[in-house]
Amino acid sequence: ETGVTQTPRHLVMGMTNKKSLKCEQHLGHNAMYWYKQSAKKPLELMFVYNFKEQTENNSVPSRFSPECPNSSHLFLHLHTLQPEDSALYLCASSQDSGSSYNSPLHFGNGTRLTVT
Amino acid sequence: AQSVSQHNHHVILSEAASLELGCNYSYGGTVNLFWYVQYPGQHLQLLLKYFSGDPLVKGIKGFEAEFIKSKFSFNLRKPSVQWSDTAEYFCAVNAASSASKIIFGSGTRLSIRP
Repeated sequence: ETGVTQTPRHLVMGMTNKKSLKCEQHLGHNAMYWYKQSAKKPLELMFVYNFKEQTENNSVPSRFSPECPNSSHLFLHLHTLQPEDSALYLCASSQDSGSSYNSPLHFGNGTRLTVT
Repeated sequence: AQSVSQHNHHVILSEAASLELGCNYSYGGTVNLFWYVQYPGQHLQLLLKYFSGDPLVKGIKGFEAEFIKSKFSFNLRKPSVQWSDTAEYFCAVNAASSASKIIFGSGTRLSIRP
């Protein structure tokens, strides 16, 4: 049990579909993250939210749309994706202390996305 | 922009061998450094971290890492590996001025022969 729950675990979608990934953290953290993990590539930071406000958008295409309604929930809305978007999407959370470092990231198990 | 390089993509060792995984980063300012581990079928979890102070940091399961500022390196070491150390290891860095932007390397897969 990681304290960070992601659903669904697996998702297969066509290029014209609209779907959403969900992340929920039970750790009382105030920062949440989306990362993309592709084979043989570094984890790519996509978005960061601190206290529900987006603080990082790492040049992510607009077909990925994040939503953070509160500090415990984070969504990633997907539409008109491409096959190269197939990857493992990881959610993480941490405690933003407001200083020069946050607490370490706590990761969920990820959603394995396949775009056909 | 920050970046992290892990030069070894796949390392294969026998049990009881010593381990050193390389990690180099590029950033000129103050950094925080991390090693994360992902065991087969499990989520990524923190192995150890460096924020300040003693550049030799100790983590869980007998792992340690040394921050060498002049070399921009944060190599992971373990004197004697076990079969249960089979996993993927990720080095990560964030600039102290941008604490939430944590950048990861591409990972090193470690396979231990029993």
